[in-house]
Amino acid sequence: EVQLVESGGGLVQPGRSLRLSCAASGFNFDGYAMHWVRQAQGKGPEWVSSISWDSGSVGYADSVKGRFIISRDNAKNSLYLEMNSLRPEDMAMYYCAKGLGRYQLPGGVDYWGQGTLVTVSA
Amino acid sequence: NFMLTQAHSVSESPGKTVTISCTRNSGSIATNYVQWYQQRPGSSPTTVIYEDSKRPSGVPDRFSGSIDRSSNSASLTISGLKTEDEADYYCQSYDNTNHWVFGGGTKVAVL
Repeated sequence: EVQLVESGGGLVQPGRSLRLSCAASGFNFDGYAMHWVRQAQGKGPEWVSSISWDSGSVGYADSVKGRFIISRDNAKNSLYLEMNSLRPEDMAMYYCAKGLGRYQLPGGVDYWGQGTLVTVSA
Repeated sequence: NFMLTQAHSVSESPGKTVTISCTRNSGSIATNYVQWYQQRPGSSPTTVIYEDSKRPSGVPDRFSGSIDRSSNSASLTISGLKTEDEADYYCQSYDNTNHWVFGGGTKVAVL
């Protein structure tokens, strides 16, 4: 059974940093791209970032480019999202999700985690 | 970039069939795969269809996906509606630089 468990969310002041983690199990982690998708309260999902199976290719939404960094550790079956210079508009539930293949394309996911909540407020 | 447009809501009776559409406003719907995500109230999204018409393990075959080049749209059909199917459904696709696009979501009510 595929399991994705996010952690690291919490309350953070604007301008500060936070690091999210995602522990994966139940599938061949180093065989798939991974993605972060976020969802603000009452809104639809928004893609944040993607990373290929070997970390050779990464992508970011324009709204987070230059502030967020995605990474993975295949030896630990883990995905990360380093979030810097956080803004109130970054406040959302952040989901880790398993990609459809090895690379960022095709862009989509087949399994989602339960999410970790990031609150950005003074 | 392109947009995906969905109806805001649809309602149907248990046991019936409902079809949700997702229309792409520019470029061909067939160029990039479409995924469909279900989100029940208070829960995280789950994938019911990926790559236009494939179902992840555990998704019942009451859920089916298709694309229609003539209307430049994708469709999610749920047959034999159950109360547990009541949820928001989002379509999603992407461009060739892997920037994702989500539809606005369709709320399915099972009355």
